[in-house]
Amino acid sequence: AQSVAQPEDQVNVAEGNPLTVKCTYSVSGNPYLFWYVQYPNRGLQFLLKYITGDNLVKGSYGFEAEFNKSQTSFHLKKPSALVSDSALYFCAILADSSYKLIFGSGTRLLVRP
Amino acid sequence: DGGITQSPKYLFRKEGQNVTLSCEQNLNHDAMYWYRQDPGQGLRLIYYSQIVNDFQKGDIAEGYSVSREKKESFPLTVTSAQKNPTAFYLCASSIGPGDRVYEQYFGPGTRLTVT
Repeated sequence: AQSVAQPEDQVNVAEGNPLTVKCTYSVSGNPYLFWYVQYPNRGLQFLLKYITGDNLVKGSYGFEAEFNKSQTSFHLKKPSALVSDSALYFCAILADSSYKLIFGSGTRLLVRP
Repeated sequence: DGGITQSPKYLFRKEGQNVTLSCEQNLNHDAMYWYRQDPGQGLRLIYYSQIVNDFQKGDIAEGYSVSREKKESFPLTVTSAQKNPTAFYLCASSIGPGDRVYEQYFGPGTRLTVT
């Protein structure tokens, strides 16, 4: 069965510093991985996805994610954090033979000025 | 949130009443989804529909019902059988059959409070 884990409930980083939000996955076949962001009382916004190809995926708002097959990880990164990046981030994996996205529990990112 | 609308944004109901949440999309997507979000938890799939007049139960379908009579619309009814209906409900859509790795696009959500 597919699953995704976000080991950190919250990540704190100072503005201008690099940020990493961690995600690990478990899947029996090829992984299709996604990152979404949610601002308070809003829907989720798509950031990026990994389907195949380059392990470094670039997405919206300067975010990128690195797919690591040996470590079964798909960590979200940004070289220089902004206060406006403060939000709830979800990693998700697409389940085999369906359109079902399986979400992690979310990581709250707090960027302090 | 563009292309998917959910109404109302906030909804209050008394226990024992059924309530229907609206979801409309103008993205010409075949697939639509309903998720429930509770504090400190990820999203859980309630129902999904890959094509008009067809839908499947997700992980937490008990106490909910849906219909898909039109491509653009996928309303969710929260029935009195749902034991803990207070939550934030999110509707999503994706391009659908043909390439299963398209991302899902989400609406702004409806916060339902049942007292």
